[in-house]
Amino acid sequence: DAKTTQPPSMDCAEGRAANLPCNHSTISGNEYVYWYRQIHSQGPQYIIHGLKNNETNEMASLIITEDRKSSTLILPHATLRDTAVYYCTSESGGGADGLTFGKGTHLIIQP
Amino acid sequence: DAGVIQSPRHEVTEMGQEVTLRCKPISGHNSLFWYRQTMMRGLELLIYFNNNVPIDDSGMPEDRFSAKMPNASFSTLKIQPSEPRDSAVYFCASSPTRVSDTQYFGPGTRLTVL
Repeated sequence: DAKTTQPPSMDCAEGRAANLPCNHSTISGNEYVYWYRQIHSQGPQYIIHGLKNNETNEMASLIITEDRKSSTLILPHATLRDTAVYYCTSESGGGADGLTFGKGTHLIIQP
Repeated sequence: DAGVIQSPRHEVTEMGQEVTLRCKPISGHNSLFWYRQTMMRGLELLIYFNNNVPIDDSGMPEDRFSAKMPNASFSTLKIQPSEPRDSAVYFCASSPTRVSDTQYFGPGTRLTVL
């Protein structure tokens, strides 16, 4: 079973920030939080990952709570092309055991 | 870089036939993963390799499924005999290192078993 829970769907207006929450209250201390997204009919695409600190890259920002029980993926200026299913998952830093995906959040960007 | 290459992109076969899916990982990556995606079960890890050696095949649904990685640039996932419930999109992914790193997914093979 997935260790993460996410809302099944969210809407966001084009140009606004999209904030996608994820609960991962049972992950262990050495597990990274990963975010991937899957645009219709394509393979999942890596977005960002983090362990304890907040992270930012060219695609998004990742805010991890201090207790590591939850995180938020932020797409700062959402575009129509960001419409996709977003998956939050976790992976131990000690080895790439493969990823366990839940149902994800279907993010719909509205024009 | 061509990314992860999978073939065929689409496969339609009849129940009982053997199906072989192929994957070429990104050059230099030493971990390879096979996933299956269906509407009912979502995205599931089937098996993964590190340095061509199978590490965990606990996700392989049953003995009809087998996977090999004869060298660093090629892997196969075989289903024999195939059944209609095997219909799904099968993704291959590769990763540059075994220690927590991003996975790069291929475009997938859509398998339909009639």
